[in-house]
Amino acid sequence: DGGITQSPKYLFRKEGQNVTLSCEQNLNHDAMYWYRQDPGQGLRLIYYSQIVNDFQKGDIAEGYSVSREKKESFPLTVTSAQKNPTAFYLCASSSGQVSNQPQHFGDGTRLSIL
Amino acid sequence: KNEVEQSPQNLTAQEGEFITINCSYSVGISALHWLQQHPGGGIVSLFMLSSGKKKHGRLIATINIQEKHSSLHITASHPRDSAVYICAVRKGDTDKLIFGTGTRLQVFP
Repeated sequence: DGGITQSPKYLFRKEGQNVTLSCEQNLNHDAMYWYRQDPGQGLRLIYYSQIVNDFQKGDIAEGYSVSREKKESFPLTVTSAQKNPTAFYLCASSSGQVSNQPQHFGDGTRLSIL
Repeated sequence: KNEVEQSPQNLTAQEGEFITINCSYSVGISALHWLQQHPGGGIVSLFMLSSGKKKHGRLIATINIQEKHSSLHITASHPRDSAVYICAVRKGDTDKLIFGTGTRLQVFP
C-alpha cells in the first residue's frame, strides 16, 4: 500500500543534542512537508520541498534543518538551537501541483526532552 | 486573529446524534480540507472542497465561498467518530495549507 512512513514514533532528546526524524513516502509525490503540532495550536509549517534538491523555509524554520536528496525521503533534523523542541511532528506529501490535490500525512513522531 | 477559526473547540455527543463542526476563514482560498486526527496522532484527509457539497458515508461537508464558511456534518454519530477534526485552507494559488486549531469530538455510547 502507498503511504507515508515516519520513524521513530517516539523520540527523546538530551540537551545540546541534534536528532533526526525520518519521513519516507512511496506515493511518487513531488512535494513534501514538515509540520509541528503543539497543544491548542494548529499545525505550523517548518519546511517544505517541491522537488528533489530544493526546499524552502516555512513559518517556524529556526532551529530545524532538512535535506531532500531523494524524491521519497525528507528527513528533519531538530538541532540544539531549537530551544523548545517538545512537540508532535507530522510529515506530509502531495503531488505538488496547484491542482487541489490533498496532502497525505504520516502517523507522526512525538519528540520529548530528557 | 487566526486566519482559520473552528467552532466549537470541544464537542460531546450521544451515539446517534447529528454533529456539526464549523470553520470560518478570512483569506482567499483555492480549496478547503477537512482532516481527521485520531488519538494516536495520524491524520486522514476526509474531504477537499472548492465549492458546494460533498458526501462520504455518514459525513457531509459544505462550503459557502461568499461567506467564507464551511461545515462538517456527521449523521448518526458513533463512538468510533471520536477524534479531532481539523479544517485547513489552501491560500490563494499556493500549495501551502493554513490549519485551524481543531475540534475535539467525543461520542459516548
